[in-house]
Amino acid sequence: GENVEQHPSTLSVQEGDSAVIKCTYSDSASNYFPWYKQELGKRPQLIIDIRSNVGEKKDQRIAVTLNKTAKHFSLHITETQPEDSAVYFCAASLITDKLIFGTGTRLQVFP
Amino acid sequence: KAGVTQTPRYLIKTRGQQVTLSCSPISGHRSVSWYQQTPGQGLQFLFEYFSETQRNKGNFPGRFSGRQFSNSRSEMNVSTLELGDSALYLCASSLAENGFSTDTQYFGPGTRLTVL
Repeated sequence: GENVEQHPSTLSVQEGDSAVIKCTYSDSASNYFPWYKQELGKRPQLIIDIRSNVGEKKDQRIAVTLNKTAKHFSLHITETQPEDSAVYFCAASLITDKLIFGTGTRLQVFP
Repeated sequence: KAGVTQTPRYLIKTRGQQVTLSCSPISGHRSVSWYQQTPGQGLQFLFEYFSETQRNKGNFPGRFSGRQFSNSRSEMNVSTLELGDSALYLCASSLAENGFSTDTQYFGPGTRLTVL
């Protein structure tokens, strides 16, 4: 079955710097890759997703890149702000199948 | 539209008891998935229901079961509770317009279950 590895487990950056979180997946047939942000005590919220027919997607300060050959995808946050501090989860799935989540990255942005 | 709701929000049970958790999806959403979230294991998939049928299942013992009603509301049940079942149980709904569970999933606030 699908397995998703996520790195790093914790990431500390200075406000204004960029943050990059990387995930690798095992099932080459996976074709949907969402990213969720979970603030302390709150529900996970989708921040961006990408499908396998696209190599990159951007939404303001957030971007996701997908390398199908290497089976990895990354989340890029530019100009980080203290409110970006949260746990970020990547996930992968084959369409019609279950979402498999990475183990999460705790991002801390210091002012 | 109202978001995904879950009841109860907090629950304390003792070992050996059983528990039923409820999830009401966003209106019009047909797919409901359940996840267990623990500090050590992250978000683990339990099962997914679509049109009252369990369509996908994770690697959890048979003590974990669920169902979906005709209005898409879903319940999950855990029997013979163990200490290790203490976790945040999240449900997520998706439109599944074309039957695809990988339409965007929207999470509920979760039910925090503590087993003593």
